[in-house]
Amino acid sequence: NAGVMQNPRHLVRRRGQEARLRCSPMKGHSHVYWYRQLPEEGLKFMVYLQKENIIDESGMPKERFSAEFPKEGPSILRIQQVVRGDSAAYFCASSPRIEQGYEQYFGPGTRLTVT
Amino acid sequence: TQLLEQSPQFLSIQEGENLTVYCNSSSVFSSLQWYRQEPGEGPVLLVTVVTGGEVKKLKRLTFQFGDARKDSSLHITAAQPGDTGLYLCAGAVNSGYSTLTFGKGTMLLVSP
Repeated sequence: NAGVMQNPRHLVRRRGQEARLRCSPMKGHSHVYWYRQLPEEGLKFMVYLQKENIIDESGMPKERFSAEFPKEGPSILRIQQVVRGDSAAYFCASSPRIEQGYEQYFGPGTRLTVT
Repeated sequence: TQLLEQSPQFLSIQEGENLTVYCNSSSVFSSLQWYRQEPGEGPVLLVTVVTGGEVKKLKRLTFQFGDARKDSSLHITAAQPGDTGLYLCAGAVNSGYSTLTFGKGTMLLVSP
């Protein structure tokens, strides 16, 4: 009974490169959430997706960031032209049903370092 | 914007002591979750409380949701080194789909 899986666990990118973070939700979960955790700032919501749909992207920067959750395959958080300020831990969470959207199960995270 | 304030920010105690950490807000939440996060890992869901005044127990951990659903507390009895970690509270405004608002957490260190 695998939990939420994220890869890679660690990612190093130089300024200007692209970062792709992957998330496979728990089996049977069709709701995916992405969060960013900066030191001293706590977890901040970025985007909420269901299969093939972005439901809420109110927490995601308008430029350089995008997310998708295709019909087949993992959810992807994509950061183009990374800058040092993008260095953070990015967590994905999933939940089983809309009625229980508040019960979110987190993956181990991807730690992005921009040099 | 709903804000969750957690206190204390950091707590260092000896094994066997009791402790309480708090999560407060001026906003009303339909549910509140407590998570524990260890270094290098993702938050692990401990409990969800949904009813004002609700008390839930998980072994040595007791969680309480305030009557007005604006605050919560976590009490640990006879703390053990394995309890060490960052304790996060998170609130949901709506039942069903709702983004979670997280507090900054209480870092607990339990020394043997």
